[in-house]
Amino acid sequence: GEDVEQSLFLSVREGDSSVINCTYTDSSSTYLYWYKQEPGAGLQLLTYIFSNMDMKQDQRLTVLLNKKDKHLSLRIADTQTGDSAIYFCAETSTNAGKSTFGDGTTLTVKP
Amino acid sequence: DADVTQTPRNRITKTGKRIMLECSQTKGHDRMYWYRQDPGLGLRLIYYSFDVKDINKGEISDGYSVSRQAQAKFSLSLESAIPNQTALYFCATSDADRGYEQYFGPGTRLTVT
Repeated sequence: GEDVEQSLFLSVREGDSSVINCTYTDSSSTYLYWYKQEPGAGLQLLTYIFSNMDMKQDQRLTVLLNKKDKHLSLRIADTQTGDSAIYFCAETSTNAGKSTFGDGTTLTVKP
Repeated sequence: DADVTQTPRNRITKTGKRIMLECSQTKGHDRMYWYRQDPGLGLRLIYYSFDVKDINKGEISDGYSVSRQAQAKFSLSLESAIPNQTALYFCATSDADRGYEQYFGPGTRLTVT
């Protein structure tokens, strides 16, 4: 079945850029997402990219998609302590109609 | 008011007890999902429903059952709870017309002793 993989932990200093990486296996993925989970809360959509796009920028967030390598990344510029959270990569194919999530990357931002 | 609500938010129960977790949504979405989250294991799909008459097993459905009572309500039952069902449970909804983005409830923390 479909699989989504991401590293479990990332630690950065406040003000630095953070890059969270994700790989997926489903070549029919239509939408790729980044969700953020803050402590004690559910997941919230951070940003998404269609599979026919290479890049999407939204304020401090940049999403890069390499469809050939099935690699997705999320770059957070000028990382703040409020960005500390778990970040989940997810993919959906139109055929499946449901998402497959990675295990989440815990981002720790040190002052 | 929250778009996706879950009750209860916290529950402690004993092994062998039957327990029901409830989810309601006001988003008007047709699709609803139940996940469990365990540390280091991410989100695993238990059951999902694409409309009121549609129920599908996810990757870890054993020991669980669901009921889609209405478009807005999707409940998850543990017929006979066991300790390894201790986890954080999330309900989510999505709309096929809006890119399948999922909206999550706040979660139910279930402890089985």
